[in-house]
Amino acid sequence: NAGVTQTPKFQVLKTGQSMTLQCAQDMNHEYMSWYRQDPGMGLRLIHYSVGAGITDQGEVPNGYNVSRSTTEDFPLRLLSAAPSQTSVYFCASSRPWTGRGEKLFFGSGTQLSVL
Amino acid sequence: SQKIEQNSEALNIQEGKTATLTCNYTNYSPAYLQWYRQDPGRGPVFLLLIRENEKEKRKERLKVTFDTTLKQSLFHITASQPADSATYLCALLTGGGNKLTFGTGTQLKVEL
Repeated sequence: NAGVTQTPKFQVLKTGQSMTLQCAQDMNHEYMSWYRQDPGMGLRLIHYSVGAGITDQGEVPNGYNVSRSTTEDFPLRLLSAAPSQTSVYFCASSRPWTGRGEKLFFGSGTQLSVL
Repeated sequence: SQKIEQNSEALNIQEGKTATLTCNYTNYSPAYLQWYRQDPGRGPVFLLLIRENEKEKRKERLKVTFDTTLKQSLFHITASQPADSATYLCALLTGGGNKLTFGTGTQLKVEL
């Protein structure tokens, strides 16, 4: 099993450009989420999904869109990139979220720079 | 406001000693707390979970305590090794049970 796979690993964008960060998992996990990690801020939740067709906002959703058409994939879209979105992005997944102790499996991250 | 605080200063200890990392939180009542390890350029990796009704949890050289009155968790690594050098993150179940909220992490450096 590959686990959680994120692509690309590095990306440089110009302000106003759009792009999609890809995330795929092969563990048949129903729960998937996107975090961003910034120095001194820790990991902050952007969006999450408890299953195909269901998404919800996290702590910092503005400027990002998500959709979940399959169990395996959970892409994150930046519609109009801004320098404030320069960050390292992590995708994570887990078994069905019951709130009783699921652990997250993380991808290796995408380092995004917006100039 | 709700906060999860971990010591932002790096913790440097000698090999063989016990490392103790702290996670303090305010205005949360989490059903459980988790600890993750993160190496440079990698995603976090789950280490341990402790529930609100558990005082202590152990796994090999790792020990976690959870004091819901003090709103604090302590993470101990005994007989530390240079390979234990990493950033350690605590995470709480929040948001009505749908989200894990992370602390900023503490960097541990174990020196020979």
